[in-house]
Amino acid sequence: AAGVIQSPRHLIKEKRETATLKCYPIPRHDTVYWYQQGPGQDPQFLISFYEKMQSDKGSIPDRFSAQQFSDYHSELNMSSLELGDSALYFCASSRSWTSGLYEQYFGPGTRLTVT
Amino acid sequence: AQSVTQLDSHVSVSEGTPVLLRCNYSSSYSPSLFWYVQHPNKGLQLLLKYTSAATLVKGINGFEAEFKKSETSFHLTKPSAHMSDAAEYFCVVSDPRIRNYGQNFVFGPGTRLSVLP
Repeated sequence: AAGVIQSPRHLIKEKRETATLKCYPIPRHDTVYWYQQGPGQDPQFLISFYEKMQSDKGSIPDRFSAQQFSDYHSELNMSSLELGDSALYFCASSRSWTSGLYEQYFGPGTRLTVT
Repeated sequence: AQSVTQLDSHVSVSEGTPVLLRCNYSSSYSPSLFWYVQHPNKGLQLLLKYTSAATLVKGINGFEAEFKKSETSFHLTKPSAHMSDAAEYFCVVSDPRIRNYGQNFVFGPGTRLSVLP
């Protein structure tokens, strides 16, 4: 079965640089979520999109932005990177509740290292 | 507001012995509950889910969990641990009335399961 695809899997950037992470949800999933997971931490919700519109916002810094495109893939743009942004970034997707399925399916993550 | 407590940050068992990972939740409504597993440097994989159907839920890899409303618990069990079960386990609570909101999917802090040979 198709899974959530994230690219790149690993990314190394320097401080103050920008980074773009991509997420391709499972086909027919209409909602995408972004999470940040620091070492030894549980995933922290950043932002979500439903049908290409932002549906919820969590602890996403102002330096970060995201969008969902017409083909439902999503991109997380991170600017003015800081050392503290080093983390594993997950994308998850789900179908809306009306279809009876609500659980989130996670991608393998992008490991971002800021030096 | 919803919250999840995982009472043990680390559980260590011997291979072939039972596993019990505890999860308690707080929710103002009948919640949906999930268990996810994360192996080192991997993504999160859904183990099982409770969505107001049967209170005893069977998942993948021999895991199961029982929803107990009176105890607000959703503990994860497995009769016999395998070395490959060593991972981080997250309990998640969600209000099924709220659609598509990321903050509705509340993670517990996680329990690290070690399996000794």
